[in-house]
Amino acid sequence: AQSVAQPEDQVNVAEGNPLTVKCTYSVSGNPYLFWYVQYPNRGLQFLLKYITGDNLVKGSYGFEAEFNKSQTSFHLKKPSALVSDSALYFCAVRDPAGGSYIPTFGRGTSLIVHP
Amino acid sequence: DGGITQSPKYLFRKEGQNVTLSCEQNLNHDAMYWYRQDPGQGLRLIYYSQIVNDFQKGDIAEGYSVSREKKESFPLTVTSAQKNPTAFYLCASSIGASGSYGAQYFGPGTRLLVL
Repeated sequence: AQSVAQPEDQVNVAEGNPLTVKCTYSVSGNPYLFWYVQYPNRGLQFLLKYITGDNLVKGSYGFEAEFNKSQTSFHLKKPSALVSDSALYFCAVRDPAGGSYIPTFGRGTSLIVHP
Repeated sequence: DGGITQSPKYLFRKEGQNVTLSCEQNLNHDAMYWYRQDPGQGLRLIYYSQIVNDFQKGDIAEGYSVSREKKESFPLTVTSAQKNPTAFYLCASSIGASGSYGAQYFGPGTRLLVL
């Protein structure tokens, strides 16, 4: 079975500071991992994915995520936060060894960037 | 412009009424999905379809129905049996079970409200 957890409902950061949004996962094999962003009353937008290879994945809008197999984590990061980064962020996991191509989503983390 | 469209943006349902949410994609994706989003609960899968004329129940299919008569269209009907339909509904698509790592593309959403 595949599962994902986002331990923080909300993350607050000052503009210009680095930000981290946490995600941990559980799968039987090697995971496919995804981050999405949702602005108010909008659909989700794909940010980045990890499939294999380099543990540091770069995505849209200056975001990156680090895959850590030993800690089963895939935290989203950005070196310098912008007020416009304030949104809801979802981590998702898919276990290809599990036979399903449908990812499981976390409950979401609200990122608030203060001016 | 390629993408997913959902209509209407807002939908009002009277008690005992069935309503249909539209989802259309021109990405030539084989797989399509319907999710329900409630505050603090993340995304819950209602129905999904891997190919035309085939669809499967997700985690919360009761009170909903779908059809997949065309590759580009996947309408969702919220029936009168769904007693708590107020939510934000998201349609998504992906390339399919093969040739895809599971990354999904989302529409802008439909907010359903009960009168």
